[in-house]
Parts: sequence; structure tokens; C-alpha cells
Amino acid sequence: EVQLVQSGAEVKKPGESLKISCKGSGYSFTNYWIGWVRQMPGKGLEWMGIIYPGDSDTRYSPSFQGQVTISADKSISTAYLQWSSLKASDTAMYYCARHRFDSISYYYYYYMDVWGKGTTVTVSS
Amino acid sequence: DIVLTQSPGTLSLSPGERATLSCRASQSVSSTSLAWYQQKPGQAPRLLIYGASTRATGIPDRFSGSGSGTDFTLTITRLEPEDFAVYYCQHYGSSLWTFGQGTKVEIK
Repeated sequence: EVQLVQSGAEVKKPGESLKISCKGSGYSFTNYWIGWVRQMPGKGLEWMGIIYPGDSDTRYSPSFQGQVTISADKSISTAYLQWSSLKASDTAMYYCARHRFDSISYYYYYYMDVWGKGTTVTVSS
Repeated sequence: DIVLTQSPGTLSLSPGERATLSCRASQSVSSTSLAWYQQKPGQAPRLLIYGASTRATGIPDRFSGSGSGTDFTLTITRLEPEDFAVYYCQHYGSSLWTFGQGTKVEIK
């Protein structure tokens, strides 16, 4: 079974650093892009960025560039999202998702087919 | 950048009724880059439709997607109790992934 298992909930203070994780299993981790999606309380989905674990090629949403760092350790099939200095506005649920760039009959299809259950991050003094 | 606008914001319907959800792109997009997701309270999103009209694995055939250019539609032919949720459309283009703001389908 293809799965993404995320690390547990975090409670942090403003200014602290944090790294959350997403471990893939049941598929070839290095061959698929994996990314992060933020959902602030009561709000919609916001795409943050993706990484290709095979070569660590990373892309960010302009909204999140410089605010977070996405990385991966292919030896343990795990992707990471990290902050160097958290703010209260980082309080949210963070989902990892496998991003598909599928070539079917000369066309490319783009979608997120497997999601982790989410990691709640609470930043409060 | 492409902006996706979903309407209505909330749809109040009864079980057994038909739901029609709209996703409008700010400019013409390829239908192969348009997907739909369902999110129930306390759960992660789930892929329903990709390529504007292809159901994902395990998705019941009461869910269908259609559209092209700037206008896309998700239709649920007969609402089941488990279909009451928030639905998001998503686009990929120019290295950016974008979501609509969501449509909530609630029990009337």
C-alpha cells in the first residue's frame, strides 16, 4: 500500500525552529515529486513547494520562498519541511502529498494522488 | 498566475439530490492540468478527478468532471451522506500548483 506517514503534532514558541517529516512507503520514493500543502485554521489549501528526492530538485511557491525549506533524505524515504524562526502565523495543518506528472498518450497530467494525514503546528507564546 | 474561482461558496442540498460545482480559471488552461479533491472535516484531501474528467482509483461513478478552457464542473449525480464535504479544484502550470478556495456541500 502506498502511504505517506507524517510526524506528530508540534507546539512551539515564536522564534523557535522546527522540522516536520513525511515518510513514504509502498512505492519508489526517489521517482516521484513530493510536496507540502498548508491549511490554516478554517481556511483552504495553499501549495508551498515540492522536491524530487532523486536529485533534490526543489521548487517553491513564491508565497513561501525564503520562509521555509523543503528537503529530503532518500536513504530513509523521508521528506522534510522546516522553519528557522517560527511565527504565530505559521499555525496551521501541514500536509505532504505525492505530486504526479504523468505522461499518458502524449499528454501530461498533473495531480496529487496520495496524501499524508497532516501535521498540526501550533505556534504560541 | 492562474487564479481559480470556485462557486458557489456553499451548496445546501439534500441526500439524493444532484450537486453541480463550478471552477473558473482566470485564463484558459489545459484540461490535463485540472484536478478535483474532496476534504471531509478532520481528514486530508482525497483526489477525486484528474485531467478534468478522469476519476481516480476507487472513486464512485456518481462523481464526474467536465469542462475545458476556463470553465470546469464537478458533478455529483446523487448525493450520499458521505459526500457532504468541501471540494477543491487545482491547477498546475508554469511550475506552480494552485487551488481554488473551495466549495462546501452541506446538508440542507
